[in-house]
Amino acid sequence: DSGVTQTPKHLITATGQRVTLRCSPRSGDLSVYWYQQSLDQGLQFLIQYYNGEERAKGNILERFSAQQFPDLHSELNLSSLELGDSALYFCASSVSLGDFETSGRSLSEQFFGPGTRLTVL
Amino acid sequence: GQQLNQSPQSMFIQEGEDVSMNCTSSSIFNTWLWYKQDPGEGPVLLIALYKAGELTSNGRLTAQFGITRKDSFLNISASIPSDVGIYFCAGQDNTGNQFYFGTGTSLTVIP
Repeated sequence: DSGVTQTPKHLITATGQRVTLRCSPRSGDLSVYWYQQSLDQGLQFLIQYYNGEERAKGNILERFSAQQFPDLHSELNLSSLELGDSALYFCASSVSLGDFETSGRSLSEQFFGPGTRLTVL
Repeated sequence: GQQLNQSPQSMFIQEGEDVSMNCTSSSIFNTWLWYKQDPGEGPVLLIALYKAGELTSNGRLTAQFGITRKDSFLNISASIPSDVGIYFCAGQDNTGNQFYFGTGTSLTVIP
């Protein structure tokens, strides 16, 4: 158990709908990362938040958005869903910004949640 | 964006054999991480490397941070059936917070 929790575990919805995925980081972790993993694909970085602020953006579609709340949990919002959005969505957390130079050894390690499997029909 | 090339893409080995896989990047990384992912589960961190040339072990696993800072390898000795899974490398460059992941190596261990 990594200490990162994600809900729901499974989500089935229809095209055009909107869903919200939730992530609670490990206790004490300030950074939250979101990743998308399609079938037989590697992990694609979507977005990172640190202590409530957006810090880095990857290949995130405009239909997707995220936020991190004062209690440090994060939500990923996916709207106007398409069939191709079906994937595993993972959240990961780390203690720091992830920058070795400012945070030191071991603090840039990311710990992953169990994921949310989204199926768009 | 950064490109991480991970090889081999898949491996089929006999139980007891040693395994080696590697990851190369197009640019210098400050951190290399190795993860194992079981089907339908989240990746689990195996080893973290922070310094060029660093060699770190975790049980039967050994990983090294390449001297050029553009590559890393992971070795698994005396493989067992529970080593089955997909192994991912991940690297972080010196520009900021983003981690880049390799495409994964699928390992099958034949008892």
